[in-house]
Amino acid sequence: ETGVTQTPRHLVMGMTNKKSLKCEQHLGHNAMYWYKQSAKKPLELMFVYNFKEQTENNSVPSRFSPECPNSSHLFLHLHTLQPEDSALYLCASSQEDGPTADEQFFGPGTRLTVL
Amino acid sequence: RKEVEQDPGPFNVPEGATVAFNCTYSNSASQSFFWYRQDCRKEPKLLMSVYSSGNEDGRFTAQLNRASQYISLLIRDSKLSDSATYLCVVSYSGGYNKLIFGAGTRLAVHP
Repeated sequence: ETGVTQTPRHLVMGMTNKKSLKCEQHLGHNAMYWYKQSAKKPLELMFVYNFKEQTENNSVPSRFSPECPNSSHLFLHLHTLQPEDSALYLCASSQEDGPTADEQFFGPGTRLTVL
Repeated sequence: RKEVEQDPGPFNVPEGATVAFNCTYSNSASQSFFWYRQDCRKEPKLLMSVYSSGNEDGRFTAQLNRASQYISLLIRDSKLSDSATYLCVVSYSGGYNKLIFGAGTRLAVHP
């Protein structure tokens, strides 16, 4: 596998379910991100992990819980979600030093539907 | 006011046309500027960085005006494969490189 991978690609869950999204980057990067993309809205940054430490929680509700066990893996644990949480969830990674520090590489996303 | 503003479009143009997208940003501390491309139901991918002196990559030309806080993307000789949403992105450093995305401008190139 190369680049950034995400599983599952599609997820349908009820409001009382608990599920997890997984992201893995094969680029040797040291920063990983979760974004939410809702229809006709800009990408919204949710969480940032830099060298495995969470450096930003962008006022995200506690029903979203990130986990970064190492610099290659990132999870987003979901519980008691609301229908308005239905969106495309994108993971990205970057190298936080060097000449390409600004460039983020995105995974294909998980399309989440909350019933 | 949105941090990054773009005309949502859609821009419907024939093959071979020249089309220009504009973008404004509100944070004067923004340090780096980019155009990303996002195909329908796919992830965003970096198209090009935008430098103060302006830069060109084949049929694509990007310009930055820091004084006016304005970024542009010009596509010449449009191809059907250029149909996508173009995202204007700015970044500023605060312990990590934070990207702020515009909502995107949709381009549809028709035969």
